[in-house]
Amino acid sequence: GAGVSQSPSNKVTEKGKDVELRCDPISGHTALYWYRQSLGQGLEFLIYFQGNSAPDKSGLPSDRFSAERTGGSVSTLTIQRTQQEDSAVYLCASSLGGENTEAFFGQGTRLTVV
Amino acid sequence: GIQVEQSPPDLILQEGANSTLRCNFSDSVNNLQWFHQNPWGQLINLFYIPSGTKQNGRLSATTVATERYSLLYISSSQTTDSGVYFCAVQGMDSNYQLIWGAGTKLIIKP
Repeated sequence: GAGVSQSPSNKVTEKGKDVELRCDPISGHTALYWYRQSLGQGLEFLIYFQGNSAPDKSGLPSDRFSAERTGGSVSTLTIQRTQQEDSAVYLCASSLGGENTEAFFGQGTRLTVV
Repeated sequence: GIQVEQSPPDLILQEGANSTLRCNFSDSVNNLQWFHQNPWGQLINLFYIPSGTKQNGRLSATTVATERYSLLYISSSQTTDSGVYFCAVQGMDSNYQLIWGAGTKLIIKP
């Protein structure tokens, strides 16, 4: 696509429910990042995918968080048994990969856990 | 690891004023990007500038890699320039990790 697309734009869920957030990167981009941003804060790295390599999951805050990237394109971030502290904006970015690391961001998914 | 510091943390200006935002980094970098996060949360790419000078309309940026800093210039500011400006760098020891500054919050008053 022309840009990074994320869905849904907003998600309100009850504490304890599972949620799935989707990211569709720019066509041809092999690298994909997930970040989290709490209100008024900077970006917190969650996970990085590059091609068929094993993802860097070092930023995932707990085992309730997981992510997949199918076919080297679309990625899904799953949060199980959501907690109120999971409320944040989840941002996805993609880049060409290799030496070109210029990252382009989607509009984000605003997650509210009530 | 590499440290990124942005200054000033906050800046309030009248419409039409010029401003300079600074990004200092503690080690050599492969990549440096400037982003604008608008009040709706969208992160917009401004410049991909590991070194040199680039201009795009009223905005320009200069990175002096040897002295480990980058400057973002905004001229004739408009209310739509309000938001948070982030600098993010990729260190030489990483092939993808972006290290983010804390941002400069810019408010342009009409």
